[in-house]
Amino acid sequence: GAGVSQSPRYKVAKRGQDVALRCDPISGHVSLFWYQQALGQGPEFLTYFQNEAQLDKSGLPSDRFFAERPEGSVSTLKIQRTQQEDSAVYLCASSSGLQTNTGELFFGEGSRLTVL
Amino acid sequence: KQEVTQIPAALSVPEGENLVLNCSFTDSAIYNLQWFRQDPGKGLTSLLLIQSSQREQTSGRLNASLDKSSGRSTLYIAASQPGDSATYLCAVFTGNQFYFGTGTSLTVIP
Repeated sequence: GAGVSQSPRYKVAKRGQDVALRCDPISGHVSLFWYQQALGQGPEFLTYFQNEAQLDKSGLPSDRFFAERPEGSVSTLKIQRTQQEDSAVYLCASSSGLQTNTGELFFGEGSRLTVL
Repeated sequence: KQEVTQIPAALSVPEGENLVLNCSFTDSAIYNLQWFRQDPGKGLTSLLLIQSSQREQTSGRLNASLDKSSGRSTLYIAASQPGDSATYLCAVFTGNQFYFGTGTSLTVIP
């Protein structure tokens, strides 16, 4: 695709519900990142994929958060039993480079999650 | 852990002024540094990417410099315009993740 596409753009969930956020990276991009952004803050790292391999998940805040990229393209971030503190914008980004030679990072518009 | 700081947090200038945004990072072991702009309710738009071996990059009215050894980068915006109003973020890449600053909110007054 022409850019990184994320869906849904907005999601309202009741506390305790599970949610799934989708990211379609730029075609051919090897690296994919998920970030969480709270209001007025910079993005905070969640997890990093190189193709289908999840190389770093150190930023996932709890075991309720799970991310996958089974075929090395589309990625899904799943949050189980959502809590109010999970309310944030979830940003996906992709890059054509690898770990030590990453290229320019391109972001999607984000998925805004509100947990009531 | 890498920490990225951006100063000032907010800046307001009249149209036409040149301005400098600052970014500092604590660990000089980075592969590259990237500057982004973010408009309200939107994702991040890449402005400039500087590889660790480079000293600066230019695109139009924007010029970014990198001094890796001192852990600093600056973004210079020439002849600012109201359309430049946005939040500007810098990010450093350490191999597995980009670390972001909290951004500088820029307002250019017509």
